[in-house]
Amino acid sequence: EAQVTQNPRYLITVTGKKLTVTCSQNMNHEYMSWYRQDPGLGLRQIYYSMNVEVTDKGDVPEGYKVSRKEKRNFPLILESPSPNQTSLYFCASSLSRDRGQPQHFGDGTRLSIL
Amino acid sequence: GDSVTQMEGPVTLSEEAFLTINCTYTATGYPSLFWYVQYPGEGLQLLLKATKADDKGSNKGFEATYRKETTSFHLEKGSVQVSDSAVYFCALSSGGYNKLIFGAGTRLAVHP
Repeated sequence: EAQVTQNPRYLITVTGKKLTVTCSQNMNHEYMSWYRQDPGLGLRQIYYSMNVEVTDKGDVPEGYKVSRKEKRNFPLILESPSPNQTSLYFCASSLSRDRGQPQHFGDGTRLSIL
Repeated sequence: GDSVTQMEGPVTLSEEAFLTINCTYTATGYPSLFWYVQYPGEGLQLLLKATKADDKGSNKGFEATYRKETTSFHLEKGSVQVSDSAVYFCALSSGGYNKLIFGAGTRLAVHP
């Protein structure tokens, strides 16, 4: 089954404790991205990757890091989480960076930073 | 910059009622337009899309037409079901890479 898998689904942690949210897709997609969803704001892009070893900032990258060492994986790293990063996070992938390509989303990771 | 505005919710309807969720956009160039749906506890799923002016996207009884002259992409369904209860997001993608710009989302609740 074609899917984007995120882990963990839920995490409660404390300020300053490094965490990683993993994302893996099994569709051989080139393009992957991370979004955060906040009430009243919709989803906003954090980082994206057009292929292995190619990553760039989206609209809200502050406080986040990513890497793309393999095509299927695109982890999101919060090195020193803060309460304003409490949010619902989605990983997404698409076949290419072409703007007509639909994106496939994971089921989300709800992070609470205390 | 590019942006999407969609009607605020929640929208509450009775089963078999007609649905319209308004969406307008601002973009440079010629964006692709999408509607995504989010069921409780799940990620977003593509509902329909349109990639050029006057295209009509359709799926599962939902329709939306890309109107360049009014910069709109309104979502419609002739007869909603309880199972359509979800949050609906209008989004656009433009420029040289596939970044989605989302509206704030509209929650739809359909009652029997």
